[in-house]
Amino acid sequence: QKEVEQDPGPLSVPEGAIVSLNCTYSNSAFQYFMWYRQYSRKGPELLMYTYSSGNKEDGRFTAQVDKSSKYISLFIRDSQPSDSATYLCFTSGTYKYIFGTGTRLKVLA
Amino acid sequence: IAGITQAPTSQILAAGRRMTLRCTQDMRHNAMYWYRQDLGLGLRLIHYSNTAGTTGKGEVPDGYSVSRANTDDFPLTLASAVPSQTSVYFCASSVLAGEDNEQFFGPGTRLTVL
Repeated sequence: QKEVEQDPGPLSVPEGAIVSLNCTYSNSAFQYFMWYRQYSRKGPELLMYTYSSGNKEDGRFTAQVDKSSKYISLFIRDSQPSDSATYLCFTSGTYKYIFGTGTRLKVLA
Repeated sequence: IAGITQAPTSQILAAGRRMTLRCTQDMRHNAMYWYRQDLGLGLRLIHYSNTAGTTGKGEVPDGYSVSRANTDDFPLTLASAVPSQTSVYFCASSVLAGEDNEQFFGPGTRLTVL
């Protein structure tokens, strides 16, 4: 079993839709959770970072962590064509840095 | 412009050849990382370095070696390339080693081994 599982997509939504991206993880020792965004043929860049259970909001983006169920989510409100990218969840432990496989999102104008 | 540079941008390599992928950062970050990205497998850690002079093995280290002679440079060497090493390779760095540090990524090197 992979330590982090992520729905690969692809996901196509109309502009303005609410997008939900999800990952599950297996190791309860993981404490830090991040979402990276990767545009085509570019390196990933940090989008959101959370530590504790609960929600963290930044503009149109909300990251949610539920440590009891080992579930992490990223919500995008009012999605835009510029949000079209691959979204990677990330978690880490002692000298372990683990990315999900990524969900490819396309927002249609 | 501060950031991470990788060279070459892309390369086609014959199996059995030796290849070094270069990575340089000018942010004075202590920690550096090498990942490979493959379709359906995501980004997987090859090697990391918490600080100059130290290195460690990641999830998929076999067939790769690294060195960290100074803070800025972290080259990745394939001693004898095989077709399964065809991938996109990303170098990354963070201010400090540790699980709560943002990693900054370079633009990647696309490597094809024939």
